[in-house]
Amino acid sequence: NAGVMQNPRHLVRRRGQEARLRCSPMKGHSHVYWYRQLPEEGLKFMVYLQKENIIDESGMPKERFSAEFPKEGPSILRIQQVVRGDSAAYFCASSPQGDYYEQYFGPGTRLTVT
Amino acid sequence: GENVEQHPSTLSVQEGDSAVIKCTYSDSASNYFPWYKQELGKRPQLIIDIRSNVGEKKDQRIAVTLNKTAKHFSLHITETQPEDSAVYFCAASGNAGNMLTFGGGTRLMVKP
Repeated sequence: NAGVMQNPRHLVRRRGQEARLRCSPMKGHSHVYWYRQLPEEGLKFMVYLQKENIIDESGMPKERFSAEFPKEGPSILRIQQVVRGDSAAYFCASSPQGDYYEQYFGPGTRLTVT
Repeated sequence: GENVEQHPSTLSVQEGDSAVIKCTYSDSASNYFPWYKQELGKRPQLIIDIRSNVGEKKDQRIAVTLNKTAKHFSLHITETQPEDSAVYFCAASGNAGNMLTFGGGTRLMVKP
């Protein structure tokens, strides 16, 4: 059973460009979460999605950031017009449907904005 | 919203000693408390978790205790080994399917 997959693992963008981060949850998992980790800091919640629905986006900046989890395909975190402050590791986690709590993390995408 | 505080931020122990990391949380509705281990450049890895209907849980050298009245929980690692060196994060969650609020992390260094 493959774990949570994320790609790309490393992404370099110039200021003003767009970044697209992809996350494929574990098989059988229908809950996806995105977290951001700045260097030497903890993880901060950004958004929680189920298939075709955003459940909670309270941790995501209202401008430039968006997320989706379509019926088919991976979840995507999109950052438009990136700035240096967006440089961080972005982790995706997934959880099974139903009354479960455990979240399993992917390897992360390390975004560097130059 | 939930706020999780974690102490200490760094911890250095001698191989074979025990290590204890403590966390406090603010939201009395939180009922799920996982611990993650993160090695440099790697993903956070779930190592143990506890739910509010349990006071203590143990898995080999790792144990977690929970005091719901005082709103704090702790990670205990016995007989530490150099491979235990990593950053450990505590977290809290209110409901199944809900997001995790993380503590700031503890950098554990086990000296051989």
